[in-house]
Amino acid sequence: NAGVTQTPKFQVLKTGQSMTLQCAQDMNHNSMYWYRQDPGMGLRLIYYSASEGTTDKGEVPNGYNVSRLNKREFSLRLESAAPSQTSVYFCASMLRGTDTQYFGPGTRLTVL
Amino acid sequence: SQQGEEDPQALSIQEGENATMNCSYKTSINNLQWYRQNSGRGLVHLILIRSNEREKHSGRLRVTLDTSKKSSSLLITASRAADTASYFCATDGVNRDDKIIFGKGTRLHILP
Repeated sequence: NAGVTQTPKFQVLKTGQSMTLQCAQDMNHNSMYWYRQDPGMGLRLIYYSASEGTTDKGEVPNGYNVSRLNKREFSLRLESAAPSQTSVYFCASMLRGTDTQYFGPGTRLTVL
Repeated sequence: SQQGEEDPQALSIQEGENATMNCSYKTSINNLQWYRQNSGRGLVHLILIRSNEREKHSGRLRVTLDTSKKSSSLLITASRAADTASYFCATDGVNRDDKIIFGKGTRLHILP
């Protein structure tokens, strides 16, 4: 099993550009999450999806959209990137009832 | 707002010594978890303790939970260089919405 995979690993954008971060898991987990991690801030939840077809806002959803394409895949889209979105983005998944999240390796995004 | 707050923010100890990190939280929980993050990597789940448990062990890890004080501690015994990482506590809420909230983490550095 590959676990949770994320693409790309690194990305540099100019202000106003758009991009989609991809996440996939092969563990048949119900729930998937997107976090951002900034120095000294810990992890902050952007969006999550409790099951296929549902998505909910987390703590910091502004400037982002998500799509739960199927049970395996959960993408995060930046429509118009801003320097404040420079961060490391982590995707995670969880089997409902276990309360244990599995994380991908992260995407390091820089917005100039 | 963050649910869990780790203390200290950073900790340096000699290899072989024990490392203790603390976590305080604000609202009632069903369980509390500890995760480790090596530099440049995603988070890895270490241990989960439920609200009706007071202590749990896993190898060199010992976790305690005091729900009356809304606090938890993570003890790593006989530390090794490979234990150098950031450690995060994470709490769920009693409303069972599949979200967990992470603290800002403790950076642990094991000196050779």
